[in-house]
Amino acid sequence: DQQVKQNSPSLSVQEGRISILNCDYTNSMFDYFLWYKKYPAEGPTFLISISSIKDKNEDGRFTVFLNKSAKHLSLHIVPSQPGDSAVYFCAASARAAGNKLTFGGGTRVLVKP
Amino acid sequence: EAGVAQSPRYKIIEKRQSVAFWCNPISGHATLYWYQQILGQGPKLLIQFQNNGVVDDSQLPKDRFSAERLKGVDSTLKIQPAKLEDSAVYLCASSQTPVGAKNIQYFGAGTRLSVL
Repeated sequence: DQQVKQNSPSLSVQEGRISILNCDYTNSMFDYFLWYKKYPAEGPTFLISISSIKDKNEDGRFTVFLNKSAKHLSLHIVPSQPGDSAVYFCAASARAAGNKLTFGGGTRVLVKP
Repeated sequence: EAGVAQSPRYKIIEKRQSVAFWCNPISGHATLYWYQQILGQGPKLLIQFQNNGVVDDSQLPKDRFSAERLKGVDSTLKIQPAKLEDSAVYLCASSQTPVGAKNIQYFGAGTRLSVL
């Protein structure tokens, strides 16, 4: 039972354009959501997060949007840069479940110069 | 600030052998996690420690996997005996004690295990 799903395994985008990564979840108890970025041979690196009481959080080129009614979140990267090429994981946690993270399967992003 | 340290980075063993991984979390982080990441999938939690006590080990295959966190700092994860399906990257993460819903975990580089 996959509680967090990233339905696009890969995404290719031109440098300078917007990258949009999507994530869907099924557990309505989730109250905190995170995006991690992973380069080959490295561990995931925290990128940005959002609490369920908000619908948007912005940090520089990265913005996360949360639609609770649709159980959907997205990550926007504007403008995309070649260094953004990596695998991106969304993750969710529930305070009621001890804040443990449940990860999606990841989306591989390739930003072409 | 030093990050999460893991060793070894790579390990190749034959099935039925045993293996151990080590993790040193970020200083001051009370919570430590071990994840298994199989190729093409997201990390899956194996065990969570709060200081030196186990909070959640529901996903740990206890017939072959064990973990400990003595003195509430470093941790080791052991597999004995290993199976072919244990081939994966084993990630260690740590976090400060969660405040409300917020829980940002910081990951080490992982140990890539190949079981032949």
